[in-house]
This record gives sequence, C-alpha cells and structure tokens, in this order.
Amino acid sequence: EAGVAQSPRYKIIEKRQSVAFWCNPISGHATLYWYQQILGQGPKLLIQFQNNGVVDDSQLPKDRFSAERLKGVDSTLKIQPAKLEDSAVYLCASSFNGNSYEQYFGPGTRLTVT
Amino acid sequence: DQQVKQNSPSLSVQEGRISILNCDYTNSMFDYFLWYKKYPAEGPTFLISISSIKDKNEDGRFTVFLNKSAKHLSLHIVPSQPGDSAVYFCAASEEGSDSWGKLQFGAGTQVVVTP
Repeated sequence: EAGVAQSPRYKIIEKRQSVAFWCNPISGHATLYWYQQILGQGPKLLIQFQNNGVVDDSQLPKDRFSAERLKGVDSTLKIQPAKLEDSAVYLCASSFNGNSYEQYFGPGTRLTVT
Repeated sequence: DQQVKQNSPSLSVQEGRISILNCDYTNSMFDYFLWYKKYPAEGPTFLISISSIKDKNEDGRFTVFLNKSAKHLSLHIVPSQPGDSAVYFCAASEEGSDSWGKLQFGAGTQVVVTP
C-alpha cells in the first residue's frame, strides 16, 4: 500500500511570496489533515477534510492560508503572502474515515521563509 | 494553550535497558491517547494507543500506561534497541463526534539509544 505522498519536500521562499504544497493521501482514505510543525513543537492541526468538505479549519490563519481538496482525493495548501513565522514543516495525514484515531502521515514539506 | 505536555525534551538510554517516556495532559475530556514515533525527514508513524477505559496496553516491546486521576501516561520500551532512537510524540483526542480525529500533540521527546 502506497503511503501519503507530499511535494515538494523542501521549499525556500522570501517573505511576502506565495507557496503551495500538494498532498496525495492513501487510496480510500476519506479524511485528510494538514498540520504545521514548528521546530521544537508537536504538529498542530490546521485543517481537516472529510471527503471534499471542511470539517475543522478553526486553527487555519485564513487571512493568508487556504486549502482545498477537490474531488475528495488530492489536496493543496497555499500560503499567500508568507511570513517569517510560517517557517515550519507542513505535514499531511490521512485516515480511513473521521472515526479513526490512527492517522498516516506523509514525509512533510520543510518550508523556510527568509 | 498546551493541553498535552512532554516535559522531557530528550532521553538517553543504554541498549537493552528500559526507556520510559512521560506525558501529562490538562483536558479531562481527552479519552484516547496515542504515541507516534518520528525519524528525521520522515512523517510520524503510529506506535501504540490506549483508550481511557483501560490503564495499560501492550504491544511487543512497547507498553503504554494511563493514570486518569493524575492525567498522566507513560510509554515503556523494553528492551531498548538502537533503532528506537527517534522523536516520540504523545497525542490525545477528546470524546464526541465533533472531535473525531482531532489530535493534540505534545512537543516530543528525543530518545537516543546508545550501544
């Protein structure tokens, strides 16, 4: 079984630029999550999708972050414009459905904002 | 507000000995707890979990203990092996359909197993 795929693996941008991350979850997984992990901290949930609908985006900074999951499969997370404090690893995870606690994580995208 | 806390950022243990990782939480509504393991440049992988109706769950070399009254859980690794060197995250979830899948993570404990 293929795992959660993410790209790119690394990205360096200047502040005020925009950036987009892509995630392909495990086949058949209805629930998809985006997390932000700042150095020295645990992952923090940004947004949760169930199929192509948003379940929870309460911690997503909506003035600069946006996410979509078209057709209930792949997802993209965008930051526009980026700030220095957005430097972090962005993790995508998926689970079979929203009733499953066990989440499968991708390798993450390490974003550096200079 | 950090509701899940791992107060030891690092732990060094000799190969073959026991590793004990601790986790404290403040939210009494948490009813399911998980441990994830993370190697560098990889995403976290699920290790073991425990429901609040239990006080112990065992899987091979890994055992998780839950003390609800103290709002404390621990992960025991016996015996520790070099491949166990990784960052370990404690995570918790609240009961209720609105909270399904919403995990809150601690900051992690870096474990180094020395030969």
